[in-house]
Amino acid sequence: GNSVTQMEGPVTLSEEAFLTINCTYTATGYPSLFWYVQYPGEGLQLLLKATKADDKGSNKGFEATYRKETTSFHLEKGSVQVSDSAVYFCALDYNAGNMLTFGGGTRLMVKP
Amino acid sequence: DVKVTQSSRYLVKRTGEKVFLECVQDMDHENMFWYRQDPGLGLRLIYFSYDVKMKEKGDIPEGYSVSREKKERFSLILESASTNQTSMYLCASRVPPLEDYYEQYFGPGTRLTVT
Repeated sequence: GNSVTQMEGPVTLSEEAFLTINCTYTATGYPSLFWYVQYPGEGLQLLLKATKADDKGSNKGFEATYRKETTSFHLEKGSVQVSDSAVYFCALDYNAGNMLTFGGGTRLMVKP
Repeated sequence: DVKVTQSSRYLVKRTGEKVFLECVQDMDHENMFWYRQDPGLGLRLIYFSYDVKMKEKGDIPEGYSVSREKKERFSLILESASTNQTSMYLCASRVPPLEDYYEQYFGPGTRLTVT
């Protein structure tokens, strides 16, 4: 079956530090991959996506590259801000794109 | 902007009660979803609706049912609430995927406590 594994949090960083949140997946076929973000008290929002191998998704300074050979989609940001504090979810699609499998989520806390 | 609203942010119910969670979207989306979110488990899909009166089971449908009588509204029903259904419930909606466009729009969630 499909599964997504994320590093457990919380991840605590100082402002302007470099961020990496690891994500690996197991899937049949060639899924699309996503990062969603959940700010406190809100629903999830799509942060970025990649639909095929070697694609790089990017948004708001965050980047992730679809690595088929390592089945990974790690999220990175060069300089985090306090406003990036949130829970980040890695996900893949299945059932012809109709459904998503989510990882367990990683809480990021950025201190000033 | 797409707006997905859920009827309650917080709900407390007793074991055995019938519980209705309501979700409304204002963007004429065909597809709607119900997830539950638990710490360390991420989001798990309960049910999915392709369109009005159409539904498909997700990964964890046991103990739940759904209703989609109108396009904008998707209801999750707990026929007889149990304490292991204490969770955060998230609704989402989306247009059907066109090429590579898959974004789901999420509501703010309902935190349900069953005592």
